[in-house]
Amino acid sequence: GAVVSQHPSRVICKSGTSVKIECRSLDFQATTMFWYRQFPKQSLMLMATSNEGSKATYEQGVEKDKFLINHASLTLSTLTVTSAHPEDSSFYICSAPGNHEQYFGPGTRLTVT
Amino acid sequence: QKEVEQDPGPLSVPEGAIVSLNCTYSNSAFQYFMWYRQYSRKGPELLMYTYSSGNKEDGRFTAQVDKSSKYISLFIRDSQPSDSATYLCAMSRNDYKLSFGAGTTVTVRA
Repeated sequence: GAVVSQHPSRVICKSGTSVKIECRSLDFQATTMFWYRQFPKQSLMLMATSNEGSKATYEQGVEKDKFLINHASLTLSTLTVTSAHPEDSSFYICSAPGNHEQYFGPGTRLTVT
Repeated sequence: QKEVEQDPGPLSVPEGAIVSLNCTYSNSAFQYFMWYRQYSRKGPELLMYTYSSGNKEDGRFTAQVDKSSKYISLFIRDSQPSDSATYLCAMSRNDYKLSFGAGTTVTVRA
């Protein structure tokens, strides 16, 4: 099946710094990718839709200036958490649509101290 | 009211038992229904995908969709300890955006 990778798998950063998370589709092209956030013992919540060649679209309540998304190529989308705060600590997961299903990355655990 | 409701459990069953999971939803625009399995600190993996009302079977897994009642189910027969995980229902319109349930944590006791 199709593979989606994420890097890094986990990251610890200090409050106020920025962190970049990469999402790559390894064996297929993805003009659209999705970014989800999952807090402990909670479900995945869609944050934004990443579109290759155009601006990302954000779900209600998600700050676009805080969570910067760049879809640089047909195989790469990046999520940058700017001026991170401890409440941004979460599990961030990307996905890319295939034929009738979504292929999920393994997730990135962000801890802001 | 959440778009997708799922009892978070936890659910504990003995090995060999049938695991029964379900979700209800409020948005009649949902057309595609999925069940994902997620192990701790991992991304979700697709178990079942259905489009229409009715049953779909794949090995030990059976997914049911009742669009008239806005209710979906997943049954796992002959459960194994390796089935211990969190099971998430998800659904979408035709735009690939998924709305997830809260996830049910299942433990199968050996």
